[in-house]
Amino acid sequence: GQQVQQSPTSLVLQEGENAELQCNFSTSLNSMQWFYQRPGGSLVSVFYNPSGTKQSGRLTSTTVIKERRSSLHISSSQITDSGTYLCAMERRTGYQNFYFGKGTSLTVIP
Amino acid sequence: NAGVIQTPRHKVTGKGQEATLWCEPISGHSAVFWYRQTIVQGLEFLTYFRNQAPIDDSGMPKERFSAQMPNQSHSTLKIQSTQPQDSAVYLCASTRSSYEQYFGPGTRLTVL
Repeated sequence: GQQVQQSPTSLVLQEGENAELQCNFSTSLNSMQWFYQRPGGSLVSVFYNPSGTKQSGRLTSTTVIKERRSSLHISSSQITDSGTYLCAMERRTGYQNFYFGKGTSLTVIP
Repeated sequence: NAGVIQTPRHKVTGKGQEATLWCEPISGHSAVFWYRQTIVQGLEFLTYFRNQAPIDDSGMPKERFSAQMPNQSHSTLKIQSTQPQDSAVYLCASTRSSYEQYFGPGTRLTVL
């Protein structure tokens, strides 16, 4: 089954609104990472966040390892935030490869 | 720092032909990962190397896919007898020991 569940699947915001993206993991994890991807583009790391809260500009990531979840908060959204946000986890046991969620497609409209 | 380099960016092959994809990791990174991305399946792990040694290839289709890392500056993913279902974007990532992964731009493979 899917080890990484992301919600919502898609989201449409008006410019200036806030967004909360969720990531839930079915197994214990060592670390996790949030990525951003434009259509046809590569994955750009947004946050590497094994635990706790990290902030960068309008973006805030909070990971609670023991609850197996992470969130990405986008405040005052801008049109350029549009794209797909993917979360990935490294399992606690086993190898170092990441398991990815299916992503949240974000569209910010004027 | 040029980031992870992948070549070619696009490749079109006929059914049954071979395709070789190249990845140059970030200098100093000890691990290289290969993933495949499709609209239906999303991002799927294929295989990874640490210090050039193959560590986990559990995601690789066994029969036609192979990967190598002959030196620390490049890795290759080879697909023999390509099939239309192999069409995807193949992504390479590298990391140091901190586990944060850095991705290349990907190679879009189209099998006709």
